[in-house]
Amino acid sequence: AQSVAQPEDQVNVAEGNPLTVKCTYSVSGNPYLFWYVQYPNRGLQFLLKYITGDNLVKGSYGFEAEFNKSQTSFHLKKPSALVSDSALYFCAVRVYSSASKIIFGSGTRLSIRP
Amino acid sequence: NAGVTQTPKFQVLKTGQSMTLQCAQDMNHEYMSWYRQDPGMGLRLIHYSVGAGITDQGEVPNGYNVSRSTTEDFPLRLLSAAPSQTSVYFCASSRQETTSTDTQYFGPGTRLTVL
Repeated sequence: AQSVAQPEDQVNVAEGNPLTVKCTYSVSGNPYLFWYVQYPNRGLQFLLKYITGDNLVKGSYGFEAEFNKSQTSFHLKKPSALVSDSALYFCAVRVYSSASKIIFGSGTRLSIRP
Repeated sequence: NAGVTQTPKFQVLKTGQSMTLQCAQDMNHEYMSWYRQDPGMGLRLIHYSVGAGITDQGEVPNGYNVSRSTTEDFPLRLLSAAPSQTSVYFCASSRQETTSTDTQYFGPGTRLTVL
């Protein structure tokens, strides 16, 4: 079955340290992968996407993600975390059935402590 | 542009009542979708539409109906609400279904409680 997984419910990082939020996927064909962020009581906001090309994708707010085809992963990273990065992060992937559609992982809550 | 708008923001229903969640976008997007968000389960796709007059089921379609009579509007109908439908509902749209490489834009959400 085509799917996307976020193995960590919560990630805790000290401000200024690097952060990683993990995502793995299982799709047929070439994967189209996305990261979204959700702040409290808000809808989701787009961070970045991988379609093709360079495996390292740069996005909003200093985030980047690395596509790894052999490990079927698309981990979200940031070199130096900010307290304002605390939010819920969702990985998403385009899957194919009768029509293409986007499905989301279960989300990872990122908490940055001062 | 207003982007993606949803009404109402909050709603409380009794079991068995019906209602329609409204979603509209003013970006001329072809692709629109409805998700529900529950704790620990991420966003699950309910229904989606690749253009006016075309809809299809997502992962959790039971208990919900949709229609797409115009490009702008994509209402979600609950015919007989159940407590299991208590959730936060998000509508989203994007420019092209055929590639789906475009960013999805999300509405602010509707928080629904079914008693």
